[in-house]
Amino acid sequence: ETGVTQSPTHLIKTRGQQVTLRCSSQSGHNTVSWYQQALGQGPQFIFQYYREEENGRGNFPPRFSGLQFPNYSSELNVNALELDDSALYLCASSPNRNRVGNYGYTFGSGTRLTVV
Amino acid sequence: GQQLNQSPQSMFIQEGEDVSMNCTSSCIFNTWLWYKQDPGEGPVLLIALYKAGELTSNGRLTAQFGITRKDSFLNISASIPSDVGIYFCAGLNNFNKFYFGSGTKLNVKP
Repeated sequence: ETGVTQSPTHLIKTRGQQVTLRCSSQSGHNTVSWYQQALGQGPQFIFQYYREEENGRGNFPPRFSGLQFPNYSSELNVNALELDDSALYLCASSPNRNRVGNYGYTFGSGTRLTVV
Repeated sequence: GQQLNQSPQSMFIQEGEDVSMNCTSSCIFNTWLWYKQDPGEGPVLLIALYKAGELTSNGRLTAQFGITRKDSFLNISASIPSDVGIYFCAGLNNFNKFYFGSGTKLNVKP
């Protein structure tokens, strides 16, 4: 079975631009969570999607938004990029009934976003 | 801000030694998770804990859910070079918020 795949692996954007990051969940997983990991820090929970709806959100402003598609893949969109948005963005998928919960059973390798 | 305090921040040990790291919070947690992250990769789930007092092992790794529900520890026995990496605790607190700790960087000298 394939794991979680994220694209692109690296990205450079200019302050004020918009960016879309993509995530394909592991086969059989229908819940996707997104995290922001600044250099030297632990990941911070952005939000989670289940059955194409947002199912929980961390302390991130509305310019961070997402989508989940019928095949359970997901997008993270960030508008009006700021320099502090530079980070590794991680996607994690989880099977619906797993006791670990929906927050991080299998992680992708992330997208490294640099805002200049 | 960070809801989980993870310590130590980094460790340098000799191959074969045992390692212990812990995570504490001022809030009650309902689930504790421990992950390992290698450079350029996402975190990999090692152990999940679901109730106070629970002690769970995964090979040379053992983790416990503290009785107060405000802490957890991870032990690694007989460390080997491939144990090198950053270990993160994470958990779901009683406000249904999910947090990661700031990590413990483990270095193992052969």
